[in-house]
Amino acid sequence: NAGVTQTPKFQVLKTGQSMTLQCAQDMNHEYMSWYRQDPGMGLRLIHYSVGAGITDQGEVPNGYNVSRSTTEDFPLRLLSAAPSQTSVYFCASSLRDLPNYGYTFGSGTRLTVV
Amino acid sequence: SQQGEEDPQALSIQEGENATMNCSYKTSINNLQWYRQNSGRGLVHLILIRSNEREKHSGRLRVTLDTSKKSSSLLITASRAADTASYFCATGYGGATNKLIFGTGTLLAVQP
Repeated sequence: NAGVTQTPKFQVLKTGQSMTLQCAQDMNHEYMSWYRQDPGMGLRLIHYSVGAGITDQGEVPNGYNVSRSTTEDFPLRLLSAAPSQTSVYFCASSLRDLPNYGYTFGSGTRLTVV
Repeated sequence: SQQGEEDPQALSIQEGENATMNCSYKTSINNLQWYRQNSGRGLVHLILIRSNEREKHSGRLRVTLDTSKKSSSLLITASRAADTASYFCATGYGGATNKLIFGTGTLLAVQP
């Protein structure tokens, strides 16, 4: 089924560990974004990409790296996990010429840092 | 900081009633979108309104946009228990970047 696939769905990390959250889409979307969602904070943009090889920072980029080597994949790397990074992470994608169906979201990764 | 702010933060209504949520934003936009999030789930796109549109309908949803006041409203008519969810507005802006920035959300509870 076409859509945005995020893995893993759940993850527990120890402080200082690193990991990569995976995001893949099969809709040939140019735009991809990573958000984190914390209680009472809505969704905050971490990093985004307008195409392969192009990335930029969002509102809360510190502690995260991204790369976009292909149109399909947009992994999010946590360099050294901190308890403040405990959150639910969502990946989203869209066509450049934004269609009326907006952005497509993945089902999220729930990350706990202990 | 958040681009959009929804009002109210929480809303409780009876089934069959209408629900109205408002969104205010800070900067010029290309479009404004509304999303729904059921508890523990991802976001689902509801409707998109472009900056040159003033009103848009989709089924039981009606969205208005007032760019002079930097505000939008989402009306859900004849609410159902299944409409219970959080609703977020999101504004898209910036030439080629098309960033999407979310508000803080309205939690809607529809009592059967």
